[in-house]
Amino acid sequence: DTEVTQTPKHLVMGMTNKKSLKCEQHMGHRAMYWYKQKAKKPPELMFVYSYEKLSINESVPSRFSPECPNSSLLNLHLHALQPEDSALYLCASSQAGTSDYNEQFFGPGTRLTVL
Amino acid sequence: QQPVQSPQAVILREGEDAVINCSSSKALYSVHWYRQKHGEAPVFLMILLKGGEQRGHEKISASFNEKKQQSSLYLTASQLSYSGTYFCGTVGRDNFNKFYFGSGTKLNVKP
Repeated sequence: DTEVTQTPKHLVMGMTNKKSLKCEQHMGHRAMYWYKQKAKKPPELMFVYSYEKLSINESVPSRFSPECPNSSLLNLHLHALQPEDSALYLCASSQAGTSDYNEQFFGPGTRLTVL
Repeated sequence: QQPVQSPQAVILREGEDAVINCSSSKALYSVHWYRQKHGEAPVFLMILLKGGEQRGHEKISASFNEKKQQSSLYLTASQLSYSGTYFCGTVGRDNFNKFYFGSGTKLNVKP
C-alpha cells in the first residue's frame, strides 16, 4: 500500500469553529509532514514529525495544532482560523532519513474554506 | 529561502524537449523534483544529492551543480502526460531540517 489518505476532502468552517484534519499511511514511514498550498503557489512546509516527535514547526500560528498519535496517523487541529487560512492542506510521509527528506508521498489534500 | 525556477511557464508540442531550471541562494545538500497535475497531489520524480548520487525515475533526467547552487530537469520527447506544474525542492547544506519548494514551472504539452 503506497497511499496516503486524508479526510475530509473538503471542509468549510466558520472562524469560531474547531475542526480536525486527518492523515493516514501504512507504508511504515516514520516521517510525516503537513503542508499548506494556496492557489497557484508551491506547497509550504508547516510541520514535520519524525518518529512521532515534532521536529519542525515553521513558525505556524498556534491556531494550527498538530498531533501524531502513532506512526501511521497525523492530525491537524484547527481553531479560530482566519479567512486567509483557506487553502489546500497536504499531508505527506517518507522514510525517516537523517538529512534529506527522502521521497515524500503526498495525500490528495483537504480543501479548507474559512468563512 | 525559496528556490527560484525558470521559466515560469512553457508550452510544448508532443515530442519536443524542455529544460526547467532551479536556482538557490543557499548552499544545497540535495535537490528534489516533483510534478503536480491540476487538482492532484505532488508526485515525486527525483532526488539529486551532493556528491552525485541520484534516486528517481529512469525516464527523467536532471543535473545538480553544487557550486552554482542550481539544478536542471530535462524532459525529452515530451508526452501529453508530462503536463503539470513542476516544483524543485531543496534541502540546505547548513540546515538539513529546512525543505523549500521552488516557485514552480507550469508545463503544457499540446498534441
